[in-house]
Amino acid sequence: GQQVMQIPQYQHVQEGEDFTTYCNSSTTLSNIQWYKQRPGGHPVFLIQLVKSGEVKKQKRLTFQFGEAKKNSSLHITATQTTDVGTYFCAGYGGSQGNLIFGKGTKLSVKP
Amino acid sequence: NAGVMQNPRHLVRRRGQEARLRCSPMKGHSHVYWYRQLPEEGLKFMVYLQKENIIDESGMPKERFSAEFPKEGPSILRIQQVVRGDSAAYFCASSPTGERSPLHFGNGTRLTVT
Repeated sequence: GQQVMQIPQYQHVQEGEDFTTYCNSSTTLSNIQWYKQRPGGHPVFLIQLVKSGEVKKQKRLTFQFGEAKKNSSLHITATQTTDVGTYFCAGYGGSQGNLIFGKGTKLSVKP
Repeated sequence: NAGVMQNPRHLVRRRGQEARLRCSPMKGHSHVYWYRQLPEEGLKFMVYLQKENIIDESGMPKERFSAEFPKEGPSILRIQQVVRGDSAAYFCASSPTGERSPLHFGNGTRLTVT
């Protein structure tokens, strides 16, 4: 079945440093979604990418979708303590439309 | 517009008991998904339902686990004869149109089996 892999699993940064997490799928994706889960919280939808090579920005966050639609990345510029949490990518798998999540990248930011 | 409502937030069960987890989707959403999350791990897909139909249950164990989403009322995830390995956070999510739509998650039910 489809697999969605994310690296790194953990990332510790100093406040103000940049952060990037990478997502790879074993199959071509129709779209990819990104979610953020704060410690003790629930996943919250951030963005969806649909087009090959698409780049979207949300303030300090930049999301990219690969040309082959099998990989994606999330880059955070100048991290802040409010960025702490786990970032998940997710893609739709199979014929029934269930959303498959990567294992996430847990970001910690040292003030 | 209320978000996805899950209850209870915390549930403690002894081994062998039954656990019932409830999820009311956002208003206007007819697609419900259940995910399981172990500490420090990702979200594992369990089941995808629409009103009165199970669309995909490929992630749900064949034994002891069942899910429903009746015409009226919340979606229910039922775990019979719980074991310690069932301890986890169970998240429900809903979407308005199903496939390719962003999911809206509830706060989850933290199940502890003693």
